[in-house]
Amino acid sequence: QSALTQPASVSGSPGQSITISCTGTSSDVGSYNLVSWYQQYPGKAPKLMIYEGSKRPSGVSNRFSGSKSGNTASLTISGLQAEDEADYYCCSYAGSSTFGVFGGGTKLTVL
Amino acid sequence: QVQLVESGGGVVQPGGSLRLSCAASGFTFSIYGMHWVRQAPGKGLEWVAFIQYDGSNKYYADSVKGRFTISRDNSKNTLYLQMNSLRAEDTAVYYCAKDGLRYSFVLNWFDPWGQGTLVTVSS
Repeated sequence: QSALTQPASVSGSPGQSITISCTGTSSDVGSYNLVSWYQQYPGKAPKLMIYEGSKRPSGVSNRFSGSKSGNTASLTISGLQAEDEADYYCCSYAGSSTFGVFGGGTKLTVL
Repeated sequence: QVQLVESGGGVVQPGGSLRLSCAASGFTFSIYGMHWVRQAPGKGLEWVAFIQYDGSNKYYADSVKGRFTISRDNSKNTLYLQMNSLRAEDTAVYYCAKDGLRYSFVLNWFDPWGQGTLVTVSS
């Protein structure tokens, strides 16, 4: 069982928006502004999409955005495109004892 | 460009040992903390270990504590993971990843990731 909780799957049609939630606790997501999101295609290494909760690395489409409220972080993808179909993982710093925790991952299907 | 290349994976019997390497290039390796993250077949990502930029502090997931050792050689721009007492549940693709901030002692974010190396623990 993963430390952070994500929905196993989400889906949307091209052009629509979807949001993936990532629920932790006051010991991880709720305590630090260190939530990051990763996109992973089958057989490939993950790619950073969002860091520090809402910042987007250079080269990542502005259709991807992140936010946080309390113990829950969220990734929103607007204007869905076929190429967005992938697995998405959230990750948070969890203090020096646990250090790092991932969500179980969410499979995004573009209908 | 920033590049991380893992090596050392393979098939090992339960109870055996293996050492993974991660060769870094394209950035000043000695000022960044480094991570190992693994992914069991068909499963999600699991953070495994972190080493501070100068090797002074190391952190491990409970699942590998006491069995795995992370280390680095800044003169060779190389990160290592020594894995002992391997179990079937350690079977996974192991990725090395650079932390996002210089001189950090926490998990900021992973960027970039290597291509991964597969470790299979089986008799």
